[in-house]
Amino acid sequence: NAGVTQTPKFRVLKTGQSMTLLCAQDMNHEYMYWYRQDPGMGLRLIHYSVGEGTTAKGEVPDGYNVSRLKKQNFLLGLESAAPSQTSVYFCASSFNGVGGNTQYFGPGTRLTVL
Amino acid sequence: RKEVEQDPGPFNVPEGATVAFNCTYSNSASQSFFWYRQDCRKEPKLLMSVYSSGNEDGRFTAQLNRASQYISLLIRDSKLSDSATYLCVVNEAGGSYIPTFGRGTSLIVHP
Repeated sequence: NAGVTQTPKFRVLKTGQSMTLLCAQDMNHEYMYWYRQDPGMGLRLIHYSVGEGTTAKGEVPDGYNVSRLKKQNFLLGLESAAPSQTSVYFCASSFNGVGGNTQYFGPGTRLTVL
Repeated sequence: RKEVEQDPGPFNVPEGATVAFNCTYSNSASQSFFWYRQDCRKEPKLLMSVYSSGNEDGRFTAQLNRASQYISLLIRDSKLSDSATYLCVVNEAGGSYIPTFGRGTSLIVHP
């Protein structure tokens, strides 16, 4: 049982390049989330999904797109990377969003945009 | 915008000390509350849920004060290994229960 995994762990991009971050969970969770974490800013929700085939915007969605084609995978795309997107990206999943369900986080992806 | 506020610290305490953190939330309809722990350059992990009646897990005690809209975390007999950032998390009632994270409180326990 691997829990939540993220690939890649590190990436350096040039401004304008595109990339996709992959999140996978093997816990049969319905809800999945993408966060970014910047120094002094805490975790900010980018997009989330409440089930296969659904996505919704979080607090800071601009510049990102997501897809949830399979229940176990949640992809985060950057179409045209900007230096402001330099951050640590965490994926998380939970059984559902109700009440006391715990979020399980992946180890993070450290992205630098030059 | 709904807010979850924490004192960023750092709280610098000696081993064996007792330390307490507070977290305030702005949405009175908030329904569930948690404390997560995040080690440096690692992902957040659940420390404990916070129940209305208060709850304890070993050296850790969490309490909820709905009237004043805050939750607290008390750590007794601090260990060096308790050094980390502690994140307060609040789930709103209704809708899809998407959680809101505080920015975290940094704790440094020194010998």
